[in-house]
Amino acid sequence: GNSVTQMEGPVTLSEEAFLTINCTYTATGYPSLFWYVQYPGEGLQLLLKATKADDKGSNKGFEATYRKETTSFHLEKGSVQVSDSAVYFCASLNTGFQKLVFGTGTRLLVSP
Amino acid sequence: KAGVTQTPRYLIKTRGQQVTLSCSPISGHRSVSWYQQTPGQGLQFLFEYFSETQRNKGNFPGRFSGRQFSNSRSEMNVSTLELGDSALYLCASSLAVNSYNEQFFGPGTRLTVL
Repeated sequence: GNSVTQMEGPVTLSEEAFLTINCTYTATGYPSLFWYVQYPGEGLQLLLKATKADDKGSNKGFEATYRKETTSFHLEKGSVQVSDSAVYFCASLNTGFQKLVFGTGTRLLVSP
Repeated sequence: KAGVTQTPRYLIKTRGQQVTLSCSPISGHRSVSWYQQTPGQGLQFLFEYFSETQRNKGNFPGRFSGRQFSNSRSEMNVSTLELGDSALYLCASSLAVNSYNEQFFGPGTRLTVL
């Protein structure tokens, strides 16, 4: 079955630092890929998505590119803010199924 | 447009009891999925309903069940609660017209089993 692997956290950064959170996937076919963010005490919010190879998803300064050759969907942001502190989940969704497969999540801590 | 709502937000039950959680999807969304989130197992898919039919099911025991009503609202039920059922239960809705339709999540119901 499908699986998603994320880098272990926590990732600790100072404000305005560059962020990368690695995500790789295994899947049959070509899944859609997503990044979700979870703030304390809340549900998941969709951050960005990509539905086919070489697509770049972007939102709120975050970006991720669907790389079929490396089966990766790494999350990046050029300059993080304290308000970006949260848990980030990479997820895949296979064609025809409404079953998201999540990575383990990566906690991001940004200090002033 | 109102988001996904879940009720109740918090629940405390004892072992052996049963519990029913409710989810109201975004208006127009016909697919509702349920997920369990625990520190040990992470986010795991429970099941998905579309137009009142269960289309997909995760690897959970039969104590976990669900249903969907004609207005797309969904409920999940857990019978004979165990301590390990303590978790955040998340509901998500989707248009599910295409395979890449994103799922929108509610705030979750936090269940504590004592």
